[in-house]
Amino acid sequence: AQTVTQSQPEMSVQEAETVTLSCTYDTSESDYYLFWYKQPPSRQMILVIRQEAYKQQNATENRFSVNFQKAAKSFSLKISDSQLGDAAMYFCAYRSASNFGNEKLTFGTGTRLTIIP
Amino acid sequence: GAGVSQSPRYKVAKRGQDVALRCDPISGHVSLFWYQQALGQGPEFLTYFQNEAQLDKSGLPSDRFFAERPEGSVSTLKIQRTQQEDSAVYLCASSLVAGGPREQYFGPGTRLTVT
Repeated sequence: AQTVTQSQPEMSVQEAETVTLSCTYDTSESDYYLFWYKQPPSRQMILVIRQEAYKQQNATENRFSVNFQKAAKSFSLKISDSQLGDAAMYFCAYRSASNFGNEKLTFGTGTRLTIIP
Repeated sequence: GAGVSQSPRYKVAKRGQDVALRCDPISGHVSLFWYQQALGQGPEFLTYFQNEAQLDKSGLPSDRFFAERPEGSVSTLKIQRTQQEDSAVYLCASSLVAGGPREQYFGPGTRLTVT
């Protein structure tokens, strides 16, 4: 079974600064997808960024980028120019790509990000 | 357009009562998922539908939990004889098609408290 580990329960960053959230995962599969989801206090989960394991290039979405290290099974999220609206719980998630019907997401325990004005 | 909606948003049940939680996915979305999120934890998978077919129910914690999606749209998660350990937020998510790195769109959740 796949597992996802987020070792930082809480992080804080000064507004406009850069912060990196860590995620490691364990899998025996070679083909999979990785996601970062954001859950603001209202609790509706929103996709931040996704990465396909077969792509070597790191995904980027505006101020959000990932550092995907497949051999190390590491998938960190970098948030540049942090804004107050970035304050939320951030979850790293894994999804297998190999089996039809195996669509479930496996989540880490989350990192609570606080933005300091 | 409308997102995923869930009702009720909050539910308090006495231990032993049955509850039914409803999920309205985004119109036209084929895949529907239920997750359970305990306080301070990440969501954990419960079950997955593709249209009306329940393809994976490996995450349902006991036979007290039952989910259905009879017409391939609205889904109901039913918990019989609720226990205190069932207290959690129940999240529903949907995605347009199966396969690929498709985004799952989440609803706001139903917070269940069993007293």
